[in-house]
Order: sequence, then structure tokens, then C-alpha cells
Amino acid sequence: LAKTTQPISMDSYEGQEVNITCSHNNIATNDYITWYQQFPSQGPRFIIQGYKTKVTNEVASLFIPADRKSSTLSLPRVSLSDTAVYYCLVGDMRTGRRALTFGSGTRLQVQP
Amino acid sequence: DGGITQSPKYLFRKEGQNVTLSCEQNLNHDAMYWYRQDPGQGLRLIYYSQIVNDFQKGDIAEGYSVSREKKESFPLTVTSAQKNPTAFYLCASSIGGTPYGYTFGSGTRLTVV
Repeated sequence: LAKTTQPISMDSYEGQEVNITCSHNNIATNDYITWYQQFPSQGPRFIIQGYKTKVTNEVASLFIPADRKSSTLSLPRVSLSDTAVYYCLVGDMRTGRRALTFGSGTRLQVQP
Repeated sequence: DGGITQSPKYLFRKEGQNVTLSCEQNLNHDAMYWYRQDPGQGLRLIYYSQIVNDFQKGDIAEGYSVSREKKESFPLTVTSAQKNPTAFYLCASSIGGTPYGYTFGSGTRLTVV
């Protein structure tokens, strides 16, 4: 199971772009990279998922280099409501054969 | 609307008592999961189930038990053997066959008094 490493915490200001990088050197061929957001006392919420290159949705972008050993979640123009913990997960979710492991995540604090 | 319902939201238990946390989903998802979260920590996997009448232990299964008699339901029992049960418990589900992510419930906060 691919292990992930991400910064414990990050600080930013409203209106800035935030990039959170996740390292996953042992990613397997069938693994996808998925990011979740969690607010206090709530369940994590799916943000974005990708396999290679770049994926963009209405919330974020995910950049994955050709070797797929890392990925970067990009949050454009953050607001106070983006203050949360962000988790990077790597694994093959297609079969549900093996549950994924959440690390400690990156605690993002957005200030006015 | 489809989703996952966890109940109750808050639960208090006396030491030595077993308690069961409910998790119900109407998403027609095959797989279901239970995670535990301690303050300031990430999620740790307790049990998961891919299909009805089958489940596997996760990383911290000791002191917990589960059942999967129906596709929609995956209750978690915290037994008296669990030494430190006070935590935030999260249930999730996912659909097999596609690389979609997990859908989580809103959680149950269990406190031992």
C-alpha cells in the first residue's frame, strides 16, 4: 500500500493560491490519487481525484507529474471557509478490495 | 436524497458497557467502512466490508465488532474490551467497479463516562 507524506500544517491568507504537495514514491500502476477535505466534527469530503497530468474541477486542481511519485493539490484564491484538514490518499478504489489509509493530513489555516 | 446516516450524533457510555453505533446508506454502495478519529489525528481503519455477510479487520479492530447482514447497514459495536473508546467514529461507503471515492457519514462522537 502506497504511503503518503504531506506537510503537517500550512498557513495562508484570503485570496491567495495554496498548493499542498503529497509525496507517494511507492505508487502502484493501478493507484489513483484522491484528496479529501475535513472540517471539525464532520466526515471528510471528496475534493478531487486523478491518475496523471492535470485534473480540474470547480473546487481545485490536481497536478500529477509523469513519474506520479508526487501530486499537488491547488486551491485557487482561498477563503476563510477553506480552513480545514486536507488528506491525500493513494490506492485503487475500483474494487473496494482493500480499504485506504488516511494519514494525519495537512491542516490549512486561512487568515483574513 | 442518497447518503449515509450515522446515529446517534453523540453517545455516552459507562465503562464496561457495550454500545452499538448505527450506519445506514441508501446509495446502493457495495463496500462500507468504519474509521476512528482521535483529536488532532487522522482516521484509522477499524473494519470494512466489501459485500454482505463478509468483513475484514482494519488496523485497530481489537475491542470492536461489526456485522453486515444487509447491504444498507453496517453497525459497529464498541465492546468493553476496547480500552480507550472515547473518539469520533466515522462510517463511509464506496461503490466497486469505478475509481470513485468514499462517501462519509457525519460521524458519532462517543464519550465514556
